[in-house]
Amino acid sequence: GEDVEQSLFLSVREGDSSVINCTYTDSSSTYLYWYKQEPGAGLQLLTYIFSNMDMKQDQRLTVLLNKKDKHLSLRIADTQTGDSAIYFCAESGYSSASKIIFGSGTRLSIRP
Amino acid sequence: KAGVTQTPRYLIKTRGQQVTLSCSPISGHRSVSWYQQTPGQGLQFLFEYFSETQRNKGNFPGRFSGRQFSNSRSEMNVSTLELGDSALYLCASSSSRTGANTGELFFGEGSRLTVL
Repeated sequence: GEDVEQSLFLSVREGDSSVINCTYTDSSSTYLYWYKQEPGAGLQLLTYIFSNMDMKQDQRLTVLLNKKDKHLSLRIADTQTGDSAIYFCAESGYSSASKIIFGSGTRLSIRP
Repeated sequence: KAGVTQTPRYLIKTRGQQVTLSCSPISGHRSVSWYQQTPGQGLQFLFEYFSETQRNKGNFPGRFSGRQFSNSRSEMNVSTLELGDSALYLCASSSSRTGANTGELFFGEGSRLTVL
């Protein structure tokens, strides 16, 4: 079945780049997403990438997709204290595009 | 535009009881998905409704059920509650018209259920 895995914690210094990694198992994944959850709030879509793309950049965010290795990463440049949150990787497949499977989330903490 | 609204925000039940949670999607959104979030299991997909029909279902027992009304509002019900059902239940809506979408789910703040 589908599975999405991420490391649970990441700590970076303010101003450095953060790289959050994710692996998935469904080779038919069509869309891959990064969602952000701040304390006490619901999830918010940060960015997504279609499976035929290798990279997508949006301001401080860069998404890299290695489809061969089923590896997705999110790079946040110049990490700020406001970036502290839980980041969820997620995927949906062509056959069930409305069923989105989430990873367990990576908690990003920022050191001064 | 109002966001996704979930009620109640917090509730406490005892084992064996049943609970109904409600979700009002963003106006115009016809797809509503439900997720269970726990510290141990993360976010797990429960089901998704579109135009009053269940379109997708996760791997949860039959005690978990849902429905969608003609105004797109959705409810989920959990019967015979167990301690392990304690979780944050998140509802999300999207404007998806077909099975394909870009995955932009708009989440509510959730209903936190505690089972004693």
